[in-house]
Amino acid sequence: DTAVSQTPKYLVTQMGNDKSIKCEQNLGHDTMYWYKQDSKKFLKIMFSYNNKELIINETVPNRFSPKSPDKAHLNLHINSLELGDSAVYFCASSLRGSGSQETQYFGPGTRLLVL
Amino acid sequence: GDSVTQMEGPVTLSEEACLTINCTYTATGYPSLFWYVQYPGEGLQLLLKATKADDKGSNKGFEATYRKETTSFHLEKGSVQVSDSAVYFCALSETSGSRLTFGEGTQLTVNP
Repeated sequence: DTAVSQTPKYLVTQMGNDKSIKCEQNLGHDTMYWYKQDSKKFLKIMFSYNNKELIINETVPNRFSPKSPDKAHLNLHINSLELGDSAVYFCASSLRGSGSQETQYFGPGTRLLVL
Repeated sequence: GDSVTQMEGPVTLSEEACLTINCTYTATGYPSLFWYVQYPGEGLQLLLKATKADDKGSNKGFEATYRKETTSFHLEKGSVQVSDSAVYFCALSETSGSRLTFGEGTQLTVNP
């Protein structure tokens, strides 16, 4: 039943490690997104994919690499984790992408803590 | 660039009080406007939206009207409940792209 799902829900890891967060949507949407929410609850877009093609790539360190194996999945891989990467990462999807203002549906978030 | 400004929180109200959370925006085109709500420990849920000037979005007793002349989209509810305690985010999406630009979020606590 879950529309947008993310795994894992919680991730605690050491500095310098590499980790991945997975996202899947079963809404049949064409576009998926990754947002980062910092400790002050501020939300900022990181990436967006439309039909497996990267369409938004904000100023994010290249340690962050999104991968979209198909339009229902958008994974986020993070290399060499740093303390400042601790945040909540939200995946979202919408029916269409660029040029539209479709409602975005969010996953439950992945709470990443880097020690 | 686009930006959204929300009233600073946190906001604490008693049950059945009236709520207004102010939101103003800056955009170059004709954005769609949204209110999202984040309950403790959960992801964001769409609360309501409006896609053009003078549209009113409403859901669960909450309302917001798209005011182009004042570039505002204030969230209102006549009588809040304890279950409304959450963080509320105002956001916009421009015609030229699909990204959401969020405000800072306003923490609402409703006491019984």
